[in-house]
Amino acid sequence: EVQLLESGGGLVQPGGSLRLSCAASGFTFRSYAMSWVRQAPGKGLEWVSAISGSGGSTYYADSVKGRFAISRDHSKNTLYLQMNSLRAEDTAVYYCAKDREVPGTGFDHWGQGALVTVSS
Amino acid sequence: DIHLTQSPSSLSASVGDRVTISCRASQSIDSFLNWYQQKPGKAPNLLIYAASSLQTGVPSRFSGSGSGTDFTLTISSLQPEDFATYYCQQSYITPFTFGGGTKVEIK
Repeated sequence: EVQLLESGGGLVQPGGSLRLSCAASGFTFRSYAMSWVRQAPGKGLEWVSAISGSGGSTYYADSVKGRFAISRDHSKNTLYLQMNSLRAEDTAVYYCAKDREVPGTGFDHWGQGALVTVSS
Repeated sequence: DIHLTQSPSSLSASVGDRVTISCRASQSIDSFLNWYQQKPGKAPNLLIYAASSLQTGVPSRFSGSGSGTDFTLTISSLQPEDFATYYCQQSYITPFTFGGGTKVEIK
C-alpha cells in the first residue's frame, strides 16, 4: 500500500525557514516524480514544486522560486521541501503527491498534509 | 503560465442528478488534464487523468471528456458521497496549474 507521510510543519515567523519531509513507502520511490501542492486556508489548490524520479530535474512555481528548494533522498525514501524567507502568504497546508506511472497524468497518491503557519 | 477557468464555481444539485463541470485552458494542453475530488479536511483524490481515463477504483458514474482547451467532468447520477469540491489540473507544462474549484452542494 502506498503511503506518504508529511512532517515538519508548524508556526514560523516571517522571514524564517522550515523544512518539510514526506516519508514514502509501498512503491519504488526512485521511479516516480514527486510534487508539493499547497492549499491556503479556505482557498484552492496551488502546485508548488516538482522533482524528477532521479532528482536531476526540479521545477518551481514563480511564487516560490528562489525561496524554496525541493530535494529527495533515495536511501531514506523521503522527499523534502526547504522553505526559506517565508511570508504570510505561504501559510497553507502542504501536501506531497506522487505522480502516476506515466508522467503528466496526474497525482495518484497524496499525503495527509502538513500545516505551515507564517505569523509573528 | 497556463490558466484554467472552472465553471460554475459552485452548484446545488440533488441526489440522482446529472452534473457537469467545465474547465477551460488559456491555451491548448492536448489531453493533459486531470480531475480531482476533495472533501473538507482531506487530501485531493484523483478521479480522471488524461482528460477521459478513469483512475482505478473510481466509480464509473464519473467521466471526463475534451481535448485542446475545453474539458468536462460529468457525474451521471450524483450520490451523497459526491458532495465535495472538484478541481481540474493541467500537467502539460510546469507550473502544473489547478482550476479554481467547483463546490457541489446539496440542494
